[in-house]
Amino acid sequence: DTAVSQTPKYLVTQMGNDKSIKCEQNLGHDTMYWYKQDSKKFLKIMFSYNNKELIINETVPNRFSPKSPDKAHLNLHINSLELGDSAVYFCASSQFGFGTYSGNTIYFGEGSWLTVV
Amino acid sequence: DQQVKQNSPSLSVQEGRISILNCDYTNSMFDYFLWYKKYPAEGPTFLISISSIKDKNEDGRFTVFLNKSAKHLSLHIVPSQPGDSAVYFCAATNANAGGTSYGKLTFGQGTILTVHP
Repeated sequence: DTAVSQTPKYLVTQMGNDKSIKCEQNLGHDTMYWYKQDSKKFLKIMFSYNNKELIINETVPNRFSPKSPDKAHLNLHINSLELGDSAVYFCASSQFGFGTYSGNTIYFGEGSWLTVV
Repeated sequence: DQQVKQNSPSLSVQEGRISILNCDYTNSMFDYFLWYKKYPAEGPTFLISISSIKDKNEDGRFTVFLNKSAKHLSLHIVPSQPGDSAVYFCAATNANAGGTSYGKLTFGQGTILTVHP
């Protein structure tokens, strides 16, 4: 009974292709995110959406376009893939108004390993 | 510009002993701190958090200490168990900033903890 699920888990594709990663959460959360873990293992936020509305866009190239059809889904579409896009992409969710309540947190999916060759 | 740093890439401890993982931050606007645990090929899992109004938070074997003046936090695991072997990420956020800061966690690069039986 996965709370945040994303597909595919592994994806190998050629440069120049377009690919999508899908994400769904069943926690009833208002806010969803995409984080990226690069080759240096840093986890960095890419986007956040609250109830289908874009909140954060961390200067991600235009080739990356998130789509939120409803508040339980946030898909990531990547156009014209480049070698440097190879990374692990994590979908996540939380309640909106993420505050300093003890235990308030962001829940992550298992990650999607993207390899561009 | 690394605002959250975990200067120890790895830590090895004996089962039953204490594990201490350290984290330093530079951004004085951070007011909420979290620790995540990550197993290979899985997403980060929330462990424990602390608000900047506290200096200690405890949950079972896990205790997080926050020293705001030193901009330093640590995670203590007592007693350590082999199942604790994982990568531990420290994360920080300005939870009260609102708006475009919602859910924007800044992560350290992680510390690999190995607990030997």
